[in-house]
Amino acid sequence: QKEVEQNSGPLSVPEGAIASLNCTYSDRGSQSFFWYRQYSGKSPELIMSIYSNGDKEDGRFTAQLNKASQYVSLLIRDSQPSDSATYLCAVKGTGNQFYFGTGTSLTVIP
Amino acid sequence: EADIYQTPRYLVIGTGKKITLECSQTMGHDKMYWYQQDPGMELHLIHYSYGVNSTEKGDLSSESTVSRIRTEHFPLTLESARPSHTSQYLCASREAGEGYGYTFGSGTRLTVV
Repeated sequence: QKEVEQNSGPLSVPEGAIASLNCTYSDRGSQSFFWYRQYSGKSPELIMSIYSNGDKEDGRFTAQLNKASQYVSLLIRDSQPSDSATYLCAVKGTGNQFYFGTGTSLTVIP
Repeated sequence: EADIYQTPRYLVIGTGKKITLECSQTMGHDKMYWYQQDPGMELHLIHYSYGVNSTEKGDLSSESTVSRIRTEHFPLTLESARPSHTSQYLCASREAGEGYGYTFGSGTRLTVV
């Protein structure tokens, strides 16, 4: 079992819709969770971090964390074509090592 | 401006050559990392460092070595490049403590022919 699991997609949403990206993790003791955006040919860019149960909002992005279910998600409201990218979920495990998912490819259709 | 820099951006080199990928950051972070990423694939940790004179191997040490003589500098060396080393190499740093994620450099795309 992988430490972090994401649906690889591709996920396609129309412009203006809500994109929902999901991630599950196996280390129940994990404390910090991150979402990165990676454009094709570029390096990952941190867009959200969360470490408390519940929701954290930053502009059009909302991260949701449920530690009991070992589940973290990212919602993108009013999706724009510029949001088209691969989104990586990362989890900081109890051993201080970071684990990355394989990423979900998102395409926003104009 | 605080940032993390990688050079070269692209490198094509012959088999058997020794190469060093450079990484420097101006943020004063103690923790630095090297990752390898193939297109469409997950990131694999190669080496990491928690401070000067501290280096550790990751899951994919990949016949490479690193050094950390100064806080800001974390170069990666391949002693003898092979075609299997063809990949994107990403350097990252972070602040210590919970809630701090990585800042990645722009990467070095290496091709070994």
